[in-house]
Parts: sequence; C-alpha cells; structure tokens
Amino acid sequence: GAGVSQSPSNKVTEKGKDVELRCDPISGHTALYWYRQRLGQGLEFLIYFQGNSAPDKSGLPSDRFSAERTGESVSTLTIQRTQQEDSAVYLCASSPAAGMGYGYTFGSGTRLTVV
Amino acid sequence: RKEVEQDPGPFNVPEGATVAFNCTYSNSASQSFFWYRQDCRKEPKLLMSVYSSGNEDGRFTAQLNRASQYISLLIRDSKLSDSATYLCVVNPPTSGTYKYIFGTGTRLKVLA
Repeated sequence: GAGVSQSPSNKVTEKGKDVELRCDPISGHTALYWYRQRLGQGLEFLIYFQGNSAPDKSGLPSDRFSAERTGESVSTLTIQRTQQEDSAVYLCASSPAAGMGYGYTFGSGTRLTVV
Repeated sequence: RKEVEQDPGPFNVPEGATVAFNCTYSNSASQSFFWYRQDCRKEPKLLMSVYSSGNEDGRFTAQLNRASQYISLLIRDSKLSDSATYLCVVNPPTSGTYKYIFGTGTRLKVLA
C-alpha cells in the first residue's frame, strides 16, 4: 500500500483481556517500529525490527507486551491481560532502513481503551 | 536529565509572525535529528531533517548546534495551518540500534 496501515483503528476491551494490534508497513521498508502515546504525552518507544536481525525490545514495559514480525512485512503487537494503564494510541512506523538519516512514516495508530 | 527536552508551550503567535523553537538533547554523540509535526489526534508526520549545515524548506529553517547540543526550528510568515505540536526527534547511538527518541513536543497556535 501507499502508507503504513494499522488495524483496528479503535479498540475497546475489558480489563484482563488480550488484544492484538496489527501493522502493515510500506512495501520495501525493512525497519518497523512500535511506539505508544498516552493522552497528552510524548511518544514512548516500545520495540523495533530491522530485517532479520534480533528486534530491539528494550522499550516493552512488561512481559505482558510482545511483538512479532514476519520477514519484512506485517507486525503484530500483543498485549496480554490488559490493564487500564495500557490505554493509549499505539503507533507503528516504518522506514527504508534503520539507520542515520531515515525518517519514519507513521500509521494513523490504534486507539486502545481498556475499561 | 531527559534525553530530549522541549518547551511545551503553547506559543501563541499572530499570523505572519516569525517563531522559533529549541530542543536540547543530552547525548553528545547523537547523529540524526528531525522535526516532526503532529496535529491533534493524528499521527506525527516528518517535517524536515536537520543537517549539520542547516536545512531550509520554504518558510521553515532547521539548525543544529552541536557545541550546545540543541536543534532549532524557525517558522517565518506563520500561517493558521501551522498550528500543531512540533516534535523534536533525536537518534542517540545506543549499541548500534536506531531507536529514535521523541521530545514531548512544543505546541504552536497561530492566531488570526
């Protein structure tokens, strides 16, 4: 597709349930990133994938969070046993490569609300 | 000290004014710098990269001051449509990974 596609755009879930968020990067972009943005706050790095290299998971806030990526295509971010503090917009971005000078292109995000 | 710091604003300026924002970063070895724009309830969009020699794109000028560890964004002849939050982005060298750090943003309101 022309841009980064994320689904669902909105998700309301009950506390304790698992959720899966999907990101489809721009075709040919080898680097993929997940960020979280709580209401009124800045972007918080979660994880990034670059080709077949081991992902950088240093931003995942707890072991309830995990992410996978199949090759250089779709990625899914899974949150298990959701908590209210997980409510945020989850943004996915891709870039041609992970390296100096490459800006990101973001998807429009998934707005997660845990009730 | 935060890795990337910005004045949250808001900066309220009249149409046609010139406005400048600064952003400081803590890691002196940082190598990539960007300005992003984020409209309310939208995703961030790349505005411009910041090169060592400076970068100009129409009404927007970005500069890097390595000695003082800050980047700046200057907007000339402000338009109502420039109203947004401007995010400073830095790529500190962390074990060879390319994890960009976003500032919390500076809000700009251009008033008619």
